[in-house]
Amino acid sequence: DAGVTQSPTHLIKTRGQQVTLRCSPISGHKSVSWYQQVLGQGPQFIFQYYEKEERGRGNFPDRFSARQFPNYSSELNVNALLLGDSALYLCASTLDSYKNIQYFGAGTRLSVL
Amino acid sequence: GESVGLHLPTLSVQEGDNSIINCAYSNSASDYFIWYKQESGKGPQFIIDIRSNMDKRQGQRVTVLLNKTVKHLSLQIAATQPGDSAVYFCAETGGPNYQLIWGAGTKLIIKP
Repeated sequence: DAGVTQSPTHLIKTRGQQVTLRCSPISGHKSVSWYQQVLGQGPQFIFQYYEKEERGRGNFPDRFSARQFPNYSSELNVNALLLGDSALYLCASTLDSYKNIQYFGAGTRLSVL
Repeated sequence: GESVGLHLPTLSVQEGDNSIINCAYSNSASDYFIWYKQESGKGPQFIIDIRSNMDKRQGQRVTVLLNKTVKHLSLQIAATQPGDSAVYFCAETGGPNYQLIWGAGTKLIIKP
């Protein structure tokens, strides 16, 4: 079975641009979470969605938004990119409850120049 | 604020020896903990989890110990192999908004 898949794998943008990252969860998983990981640090929680509803939001500015589709895939959008948005963006899926194992994709490496 | 942290940023272990990676957490309400392994260029990979009603849980070559009295978590890897080289993170669910709270990670280096 396929794991969590993310696209694209790498992305280069310039300041002020907008970016959309995509995630497909493991088949049967209804919850998707997004994390930002800066080099040398642990992932920071951005959003969690369950059944297309936002379940949780981390301490990120409104430039970050996300949504979940009926097939449980998800998109993360970042507007007005800043240099500090350069990071590895990770998507994780879990079956239903938040107290379940989160399975991660390989991430999208975003570089903002 | 609440946080999960690791004592050692880098751990060097001889191949074949046992490895112990430690983690401290500060939220006494935390009730579910997960250890992840992250290899270079990859996403975190689940290793083992433990709920707060347990003190110990064993997997294949790995054991997690939870000491709620001192809010300490450890991951023990038996007979460490070169493939165990990675950064290890402990994570906790106990924060608001159903988020995983992560430590900074410990890099495990295996010496031949």
